[in-house]
Amino acid sequence: GQNIDQPTEMTATEGAIVQINCTYQTSGFNGLFWYQQHAGEAPTFLSYNVLDGLEEKGRFSSFLSRSKGYSYLLLKELQMKDSASYLCAVRESGGTYKYIFGTGTRLKVLA
Amino acid sequence: DTAVSQTPKYLVTQMGNDKSIKCEQNLGHDTMYWYKQDSKKFLKIMFSYNNKELIINETVPNRFSPKSPDKAHLNLHINSLELGDSAVYFCASTRTRDSRGSEAFFGQGTRLTVV
Repeated sequence: GQNIDQPTEMTATEGAIVQINCTYQTSGFNGLFWYQQHAGEAPTFLSYNVLDGLEEKGRFSSFLSRSKGYSYLLLKELQMKDSASYLCAVRESGGTYKYIFGTGTRLKVLA
Repeated sequence: DTAVSQTPKYLVTQMGNDKSIKCEQNLGHDTMYWYKQDSKKFLKIMFSYNNKELIINETVPNRFSPKSPDKAHLNLHINSLELGDSAVYFCASTRTRDSRGSEAFFGQGTRLTVV
């Protein structure tokens, strides 16, 4: 079956570091994506991992372990504008380019 | 220059009506999707078209019918609307390749409210 799990909510303080975890079980694997979605807006792309390891992009980093079916998104130097939902998505293999999304993690950044 | 645009942004309609949502992308992508996001914010795939051909058709009531006149457009027609159809519908597109630059781009969403 297909299952992507993320914590429902997290709270952190401005300037801190937060790690949002994602575990997945899918029929096949062809990449893992993280998206940010502010309330009332569309999801926007943050990061992409297809090989094991860490990808760094400014304040955001994403890690992947394919053998463990595990990824995390690391947000450093948190800002108030980082308050949003963060969606983990797995693209399945097999040529359909199907993206399966997790339920999302709502992050609240407090002053 | 909006990359993926959907119309309308808001749609309020009565039960039993038929409505359409339109989507256009100017990114030159070859695959387009419809996703439904419910009140719990879960984003669930409904359909996908690759070069006008239907390639993903999840378990969706046949009241929902997608149409892709060309690879830049994907419309969604919904017949006999029900209260449970109330949700935000997102159109997305992607370039089908197994590498960077293959992320999905989303439209701004259509908030459908059935009363």
